[in-house]
Amino acid sequence: EAGVTQFPSHSVIEKGQTVTLRCDPISGHDNLYWYRRVMGKEIKFLLHFVKESKQDESGMPNNRFLAERTGGTYSTLKVQPAELEDSGVYFCASSQDDSYGYTFGSGTRLTVV
Amino acid sequence: QKEVEQNSGPLSVPEGAIASLNCTYSDRGSQSFFWYRQYSGKSPELIMFIYSNGDKEDGRFTAQLNKASQYVSLLIRDSQPSDSATYLCALDPTGGGNKLTFGTGTQLKVEL
Repeated sequence: EAGVTQFPSHSVIEKGQTVTLRCDPISGHDNLYWYRRVMGKEIKFLLHFVKESKQDESGMPNNRFLAERTGGTYSTLKVQPAELEDSGVYFCASSQDDSYGYTFGSGTRLTVV
Repeated sequence: QKEVEQNSGPLSVPEGAIASLNCTYSDRGSQSFFWYRQYSGKSPELIMFIYSNGDKEDGRFTAQLNKASQYVSLLIRDSQPSDSATYLCALDPTGGGNKLTFGTGTQLKVEL
């Protein structure tokens, strides 16, 4: 079974630019999550999809962040315009059953300069 | 006060010893608890989850939960150099496992 795939693995962009991160969950996993780890801080929840619906987006920092999951398969997280404080590692995770933890992708390291 | 507190370490133990990793939490209503292992530059990997007070064993790993004292711990028996990693404690206050709150992690070093 393929794991959770994230693309790109690294991205360096200038402040004010737009970046789109992609996550392909494990096939058949209805639950998809985005998390972020800013350097020196803990991993923090951003949002949770169940299929194509946003179940909980309480962790999204502001309206510069837009997450979509069209068709309930892969998901994208767009940051527009990017700010310096958006730098960090963005993790995607998926699960079939929400009770037993989930599988993380390898993350996208975003650097905004 | 942070919601999930972990000593950042590093915690150094000799090979073959028992490593004890501790985590305290502030939300008394938290229901489910998870331990993840993260190697440097890699993704977090689920090791164990625990919901009930007491011990839960899986191979060399034992998770311990004490809801009255609001702490959860992870014991690693017969520690190996390959266990060297950062161990993340996480919980879901709602019990559903949908929205995890993480600690900053404890770095474990197992020395030869």
